[in-house]
Amino acid sequence: EDQVTQSPEALRLQEGESSSLNCSYTVSGLRGLFWYRQDPGKGPEFLFTLYSAGEEKEKERLKATLTKKESFLHITAPKPEDSATYLCAVGGSQGNLIFGKGTKLSVKP
Amino acid sequence: DAGITQSPRHKVTETGTPVTLRCHQTENHRYMYWYRQDPGHGLRLIHYSYGVKDTDKGEVSDGYSVSRSKTEDFLLTLESATSSQTSVYFCAISERDIGFDIQYFGAGTRLSVL
Repeated sequence: EDQVTQSPEALRLQEGESSSLNCSYTVSGLRGLFWYRQDPGKGPEFLFTLYSAGEEKEKERLKATLTKKESFLHITAPKPEDSATYLCAVGGSQGNLIFGKGTKLSVKP
Repeated sequence: DAGITQSPRHKVTETGTPVTLRCHQTENHRYMYWYRQDPGHGLRLIHYSYGVKDTDKGEVSDGYSVSRSKTEDFLLTLESATSSQTSVYFCAISERDIGFDIQYFGAGTRLSVL
């Protein structure tokens, strides 16, 4: 059964304090790993997609990496506007996305 | 929100009443999806469509039906709403001609069933 587990559930950082979010997955044949950002009251916003182990993608203060078992979302020198829930998902056998429960990130000034 | 409009954005209804949620896209994407999001569960697929009049069930399809008579519109119907269907519903779209494509989400519909 395809499964995605994200940790931690919640993370509080001071502005400028770098950290990483973890997404571990079990899937029968990876069809892509996706990171989304979700702000309160809004739909998920696409950030990155990774398809093979060793692949890395960057966007501003965010960097996503992928191994055969997990993905990390590294946040470098975060700012308060980075506060959001970050969702990880893998491509499922029906063409849907199998989502983790998310990590709620709070960045304090 | 990638040319996706969900309506209504908020709805309160009573147990046993029918409810229809609408998703409209302007991207001409072939694939459309309905998800629900609940605390402690994350997003889960209800139904999806791979073309006009072509639909299939997802993980949590019981109590829901869908229809797609035009490329741009995907309707989700709760035939007889129950309190367990109180949730936030998201529509998503993707092109997905080859391989696995990125899904783009609408802003969501918050449904309360009393």
